[in-house]
Amino acid sequence: AQRVTQPEKLLSVFKGAPVELKCNYSYSGSPELFWYVQYSRQRLQLLLRHISRESIKGFTADLNKGETSFHLKKPFAQEEDSAMYYCALSWRSQGNLIFGKGTKLSVKP
Amino acid sequence: NAGVTQTPKFQVLKTGQSMTLQCAQDMNHEYMSWYRQDPGMGLRLIHYSVGAGITDQGEVPNGYNVSRSTTEDFPLRLLSAAPSQTSVYFCASSRTLDQPQHFGDGTRLSIL
Repeated sequence: AQRVTQPEKLLSVFKGAPVELKCNYSYSGSPELFWYVQYSRQRLQLLLRHISRESIKGFTADLNKGETSFHLKKPFAQEEDSAMYYCALSWRSQGNLIFGKGTKLSVKP
Repeated sequence: NAGVTQTPKFQVLKTGQSMTLQCAQDMNHEYMSWYRQDPGMGLRLIHYSVGAGITDQGEVPNGYNVSRSTTEDFPLRLLSAAPSQTSVYFCASSRTLDQPQHFGDGTRLSIL
């Protein structure tokens, strides 16, 4: 079955430190992968998707098909990056979008 | 554009009561879905729809019904509320499945 795994429930770093939020998936085909973010008291919003290869708010994510991973990275964390981050996977043939359980990022001053 | 609008924002129910959570989008999106968000569980898909008249079950459909009579609306019904359904419910829509989801603000539901 398709699955998205975010191994860390909570990740705490200091401002200016590098950040890596891990995401692994299980799917044999070619998935669409996304990172969504939920800031405190706000709705979920798209952060980035793998096919666009964009850098949003300094975050990047590279799809590694060999390791079936889509880790989210930022070289220098900011306090405003503190939020809940969700990795998500979709595949057109199944009409479904699956989310990981989320990682809460806390950036300390 | 209002995007995805969910009503109500908060609701308290007694066990056994029924209720409908409303979701509307004004972006002419074909794909709509309902998720519940619980601590430590992330977002779990309840039901989804790929277009008017078409619905399907997600990961946790039991206790919930949906219908999609129009492109714009996708209500979620709790037929007989149970304490296990206490959660935050999010509605989302997208143009197609592989496009980014647009989320509503959520409905915080408590079942006593």
